[in-house]
Amino acid sequence: ILNVEQSPQSLHVQEGDSTNFTCSFPSSNFYALHWYRWETAKSPEALFVMTLNGDEKKKGRISATLNTKEGYSYLYIKGSQPEDSATYLCASVNTGFQKLVFGTGTRLLVSP
Amino acid sequence: DSGVTQTPKHLITATGQRVTLRCSPRSGDLSVYWYQQSLDQGLQFLIHYYNGEERAKGNILERFSAQQFPDLHSELNLSSLELGDSALYFCASSSGRGVPYNEQFFGPGTRLTVL
Repeated sequence: ILNVEQSPQSLHVQEGDSTNFTCSFPSSNFYALHWYRWETAKSPEALFVMTLNGDEKKKGRISATLNTKEGYSYLYIKGSQPEDSATYLCASVNTGFQKLVFGTGTRLLVSP
Repeated sequence: DSGVTQTPKHLITATGQRVTLRCSPRSGDLSVYWYQQSLDQGLQFLIHYYNGEERAKGNILERFSAQQFPDLHSELNLSSLELGDSALYFCASSSGRGVPYNEQFFGPGTRLTVL
């Protein structure tokens, strides 16, 4: 069973700050890494799916990088806005158990 | 709106009872996944169906079962309920056979409370 860890557990920043969080996953038998954004009282929404080492994806002010050799991914938010407040989940897939294994998330709060 | 619907939104029941949670995937999606979100735990994968067939099982208890019907909607049946089964149950769908690099679209969830 995969062990996916996310840090920090929670983060409180001011509007306009840039921030980043980490997702760590076992590098052996890696297949894919997913990032989801989960707002309170809503359902998780896919941000990125990454498969290649060195991959970098961007959606607006949010971007992510992937290092499959060392087993980590970073999610960056540039110029955080209050509407970015949410829990950010990552999930890893390996070639053995080809299903998403989620971390417990990083809860981001952006104050105006 | 992801296009995935789940009913009911909330369910309150007693220990020992049986409930059925329902999910309709996005139009065209053949894969349906069920997840459980308990307090202090991440989303836990329960089971995956593709076009009516069970494809994979995760941490699903023997008291729980699921199926996917010809119209592709899915039901998760939870029986002999215990207090610890109280959780948020999500359904998600994706296109294709559920290959790991397809993003999943989550429904709004069903919050189950067992008293």
